[in-house]
Amino acid sequence: GQQLNQSPQSMFIQEGEDVSMNCTSSSIFNTWLWYKQDPGEGPVLLIALYKAGELTSNGRLTAQFGITRKDSFLNISASIPSDVGIYFCAGHSVGAGNMLTFGGGTRLMVKP
Amino acid sequence: NAGVTQTPKFQVLKTGQSMTLQCAQDMNHEYMSWYRQDPGMGLRLIHYSVGAGITDQGEVPNGYNVSRSTTEDFPLRLLSAAPSQTSVYFCASSRGQISGANVLTFGAGSRLTVL
Repeated sequence: GQQLNQSPQSMFIQEGEDVSMNCTSSSIFNTWLWYKQDPGEGPVLLIALYKAGELTSNGRLTAQFGITRKDSFLNISASIPSDVGIYFCAGHSVGAGNMLTFGGGTRLMVKP
Repeated sequence: NAGVTQTPKFQVLKTGQSMTLQCAQDMNHEYMSWYRQDPGMGLRLIHYSVGAGITDQGEVPNGYNVSRSTTEDFPLRLLSAAPSQTSVYFCASSRGQISGANVLTFGAGSRLTVL
């Protein structure tokens, strides 16, 4: 099946630093999604991207849908302690029907 | 609105025991699904349903059964638990079938340990 490689697997940063994570795929997606999972909770949607090249922001978060449609990145600016959690990318392609493919997650830890 | 509600939040089973993880949503969503989350592997789709009376297999369906008798409920059954089924299970729903416009709303998860 489709595979999503998400990197890095974990990051330990100082409060105030910027963060960047990305996902790459061996196949094309029509939609890229970025979710955040707080400890003990389910993933919550942060940003949805629907078009190649699209750049979308949500507060301090910015995500881009890669031109090749095989990658996406998420940036977090000026990190704060509540940014701690696991960030997942997910991709959907029309041919996959009702299947979303998830990346392995990036665990973010922020040192105050 | 409660959104997607999962019970129990934690469960310990012995190998061979059976149990049902419950999932209910109050958003009148047609699409419901079950994922399992294992370290470093993201979320993998177990089973899904596009409406009452309709279910289909996902990426890792073996060892799990589902049914969808109502729009609101989508229980996941383990008939004979195995240690490989130790995981965190998430139920998720969507207004319609998965597409760019219909995104998933997740429950808080059920952590299952099989000894």
